[in-house]
Amino acid sequence: DARVTQTPRHKVTEMGQEVTMRCQPILGHNTVFWYRQTMMQGLELLAYFRNRAPLDDSGMPKDRFSAEMPDATLATLKIQPSEPRDSAVYFCASASHREYEQYFGPGTRLTVT
Amino acid sequence: GENVEQHPSTLSVQEGDSAVIKCTYSDSASNYFPWYKQELGKRPQLIIDIRSNVGEKKDQRIAVTLNKTAKHFSLHITETQPEDSAVYFCAASLYSGAGSYQLTFGKGTKLSVIP
Repeated sequence: DARVTQTPRHKVTEMGQEVTMRCQPILGHNTVFWYRQTMMQGLELLAYFRNRAPLDDSGMPKDRFSAEMPDATLATLKIQPSEPRDSAVYFCASASHREYEQYFGPGTRLTVT
Repeated sequence: GENVEQHPSTLSVQEGDSAVIKCTYSDSASNYFPWYKQELGKRPQLIIDIRSNVGEKKDQRIAVTLNKTAKHFSLHITETQPEDSAVYFCAASLYSGAGSYQLTFGKGTKLSVIP
């Protein structure tokens, strides 16, 4: 049963520190999404890639967030410097060009103190 | 861009009763409407979806209806059980031959099924 994996599952860090979250999409999926979930804003898109090329990153604060896909098996989301308002659950999802469904990873729960 | 409104934000029903959650969307180009169930601390999981060429879809106790003209879609859960208690999200998206585009989510409905 193929699944999207994310690391770390939990991260507690101090304000100003760099945070890197990693996602391994399902093998063969060509589209990877990063979503952020907070109580106030709900689930919102940060960025997504198709065939490793960024398609939309308009949901990300550009000054501190960056997303990359160095290869087809790894997507990264980096926050530098982190701030308390970045505390949230960050989900990665992947999708195949043959299917409608997006498959979500387990999420990274980030707490910035 | 797309905007999805979801109602109600909370819903309590007695076990065995039905639950209905409603969503509206703004972008007439959207052609894919999934519903996700999220249990506390878990990932969103797809429970049912509908495409814009279909008006209704059923899967056991769950059904979804879509009205493209009015741009709204609904989730119906019959014979609710305590394990149906969770947060439910509707979403709208565009799918093309190249693949999926981003999901725009509603704010979620917290469903509580009272035994």
